[in-house]
Amino acid sequence: QKEVEQNSGPLSVPEGAIASLNCTYSDRGSQSFFWYRQYSGKSPELIMFIYSNGDKEDGRFTAQLNKASQYVSLLIRDSQPSDSATYLCAVNRSGNNRLAFGKGNQVVVIP
Amino acid sequence: GAVVSQHPSRVICKSGTSVKIECRSLDFQATTMFWYRQFPKQSLMLMATSNEGSKATYEQGVEKDKFLINHASLTLSTLTVTSAHPEDSSFYICSAHDRGRQETQYFGPGTRLLVL
Repeated sequence: QKEVEQNSGPLSVPEGAIASLNCTYSDRGSQSFFWYRQYSGKSPELIMFIYSNGDKEDGRFTAQLNKASQYVSLLIRDSQPSDSATYLCAVNRSGNNRLAFGKGNQVVVIP
Repeated sequence: GAVVSQHPSRVICKSGTSVKIECRSLDFQATTMFWYRQFPKQSLMLMATSNEGSKATYEQGVEKDKFLINHASLTLSTLTVTSAHPEDSSFYICSAHDRGRQETQYFGPGTRLLVL
């Protein structure tokens, strides 16, 4: 089992709709969870981090964490064409600052 | 805040030469920096963890003698790809851990290396 899994293929959403991304992780000791956005040819930029179970909202983004089920999700409300990118889920490996990344989910927002 | 720079942004070199990439945290001190490599259409793969004033910790399968890492100060880490070969062509990205912002890593803009 991979450390961090993002299994769904490219996601196409119409402008203004909600994009939903999921991520599962294998290390139960993980404490910190991150969502990064990566535009083509660019490096990742941090969108949100979450440490506690439940929801965390920041503008149009909501991260959801369920440690018992070992999944973390990201919702993008009112999707805009500028949200078209690859979204990377990252999990802090227990006991150190090293991050394990999922392979990413590509989101395409259709005007 | 939390700006990380990398230099150069792009480099083309001949096979067998060495290439040095610099990573700087511009507005914070980074006791720990990380070096990643990303091939097209793939996710980031951690190569090594660079700690200021000590030896880097390499991930399994990463040759420490080929990828030399130096973290001489709290704001600078360098990665040297020695005797580069075409298969080393990739997107190299560093990140810096801001100890003032718990466990958050900020990424540099990346260096695209092409070995001919």
